[in-house]
Amino acid sequence: DAKTTQPPSMDCAEGRAANLPCNHSTISGNEYVYWYRQIHSQGPQYIIHGLKNNETNEMASLIITEDRKSSTLILPHATLRDTAVYYCIVRAYNTDKLIFGTGTRLQVFP
Amino acid sequence: GAGVSQTPSNKVTEKGKYVELRCDPISGHTALYWYRQSLGQGPEFLIYFQGTGAADDSGLPNDRFFAVRPEGSVSTLKIQRTERGDSAVYLCASSLNPGEKLFFGSGTQLSVL
Repeated sequence: DAKTTQPPSMDCAEGRAANLPCNHSTISGNEYVYWYRQIHSQGPQYIIHGLKNNETNEMASLIITEDRKSSTLILPHATLRDTAVYYCIVRAYNTDKLIFGTGTRLQVFP
Repeated sequence: GAGVSQTPSNKVTEKGKYVELRCDPISGHTALYWYRQSLGQGPEFLIYFQGTGAADDSGLPNDRFFAVRPEGSVSTLKIQRTERGDSAVYLCASSLNPGEKLFFGSGTQLSVL
């Protein structure tokens, strides 16, 4: 699986948009970008994934650059409950395991 | 149940003892995964089952670790001769089919004294 690079930590004010970057410069053509998050003392939770088009769901938006070498996860109106570690992962669809890095620790403050 | 269930939630054991950790996946999910997470690190892949068979056990650290899924549903992770370095949170996840999104349990915190 391609490696990803994420900042170790970020802060965001409650109610503001949180923009979490991820670099994946060695991504292959058949690899998707997945985002999971892990709230303290819980297992990781799926957020969103995409191949090359921007994606949006009820939790977040995913913006992937045209060259697919980087992406940004956007939480449009962060709340205190969004405080968590966010993992950006690339893998080919229909392959098995996810390989997690160390992620970005997002702290949302009042 | 509605989600992935792991038991026990906490397990304290002594060095050298044998432990079993149980995972009940979401009903109907064919794929089951075990991960291990140490403090401050991301989850580390251990083993993946498709149905009853281990499709990929490349993450098991050594032969003290073994996992089974005899009926294609519940899985048990077994650790022999536990060592202090085995202390971690052991996470289980399932997915409807391989390659689809994973649903994780809350994990078992294993402490080896």
